[in-house]
This record gives sequence, C-alpha cells and structure tokens, in this order.
Amino acid sequence: EIVLTQSPATLSLSPGERATLSCRASERIASYLAWYQQKPGQAPRLLIYEVSNRATGIPARFSGSGSGTDFTLAISSLEPEDFAIYYCQQRSNWPTFGQGTKLEIK
Amino acid sequence: EVQLLESGGGSVQPGGSLRLSCAASGFYFSNYAMAWVRQAPGKGLEWVSAISGGGGSTYYADSVKGRLTISRDNSQKTVYLQLNSLRAEDTALYYCARDAGYGDYYFGYWGQGTLVTVSS
Repeated sequence: EIVLTQSPATLSLSPGERATLSCRASERIASYLAWYQQKPGQAPRLLIYEVSNRATGIPARFSGSGSGTDFTLAISSLEPEDFAIYYCQQRSNWPTFGQGTKLEIK
Repeated sequence: EVQLLESGGGSVQPGGSLRLSCAASGFYFSNYAMAWVRQAPGKGLEWVSAISGGGGSTYYADSVKGRLTISRDNSQKTVYLQLNSLRAEDTALYYCARDAGYGDYYFGYWGQGTLVTVSS
C-alpha cells in the first residue's frame, strides 16, 4: 500500500496570505496525484488531478506541483471559503488518501 | 447533472450485516466504474471498493476484503455495497463516488453519504 503523508497537520493563516500544503508518498507515484477540499458536513471536492491540472470550475488561485514522491498544493491568496481540510490522493496503485491538512483561520 | 444518492445505512451490532445502495442519475451509468469511499467520524478518507462499468471486475481494499461485496444493477442505475461481519472499525460515513472523467479514481462526483454505526 502506498502511504501518503501530509504536512503540516494544521496550518493557521489569514485571508490574503499564501498557503503551501505538502504531500509525500512512500514510493514514486509518477503523476497520479490529486487534491481534494472538504468542508464540514460536505463531501470532498476534487480540486487538482494529475499533480497540476485544475478540475472544472476550480479557481486559478489553486495550483499543484511536484513529481516522484513530493507534491505541493498552493493557494495563492486565501479567500474566506478556502478554510477547510485538504487531502491528497494517489491512484498509482489502489487509491489511498493522505491524513489531511486542516487549513484554519489565524 | 450527475447525482448520486446513497441509502441503507444504520446502526448494527458487531457481526451484523447491512446493504448500502447508491442510486445514480444524470449520466450513462454503465459507462462508468463506481466506487465506495468511507470516512470514520472525525477521520480521513479511505477507499474501500470499486466496480467496473459492466460489473465484471471488482476491487477491494485489504482492510475489507472478504467482508464487503460490491455489485451493480445497470438497469436500475444502482451500485450496492454488502457489508458483512461488521466491526466497530467499520463505523463510518460511506460515500458513493464516480470519477470526474480525468482518469480512474479521480473522484469528481460524490453522494452525500450514508452513515453506518457498528456498536453493541
């Protein structure tokens, strides 16, 4: 099983700041990485697929990068609605998710 | 519009069984693989099972292999998850999910979830 480790567990920032979330895979996963956003009481929403491609309707302030085992989700200027939990997910093998990063308002 | 509507959750004792259903609409159902992803209370996401569009191929996470069975009825546009020999650690919100069209297992469509509680 491919293990994804996200850091930090919690990130405290203010609206307008830049957020950088990390995801490290236990083995190389090529470009088979996605990012999801989940708000309380809601299902996850796909943000990014194949490392850096934004899903339909996702604002340009969300961007993904990385390769091999290290990946990053960046949010260029935080909006109030961006505070949520973010999960990375790989599909190189059977799908697995990271444990999540909670992005909270400072 | 793609819609996924889960049902069948509830409270069950350890060792018991439940069958979850997910009714789909808004897309050509048999063209798409379907999956179940669960989330324990206050915890992260865990993929548990998937089934191909025709139903001939099924896949399971190691944690549930032998206890959960996925199936589908394309005429009813419904996917099922049979849960047997339930354990406390199976307590979770079970989501039905479909890929977004960018590749298998990029889950772009989700239901609202159905809650399974395993407790004595």
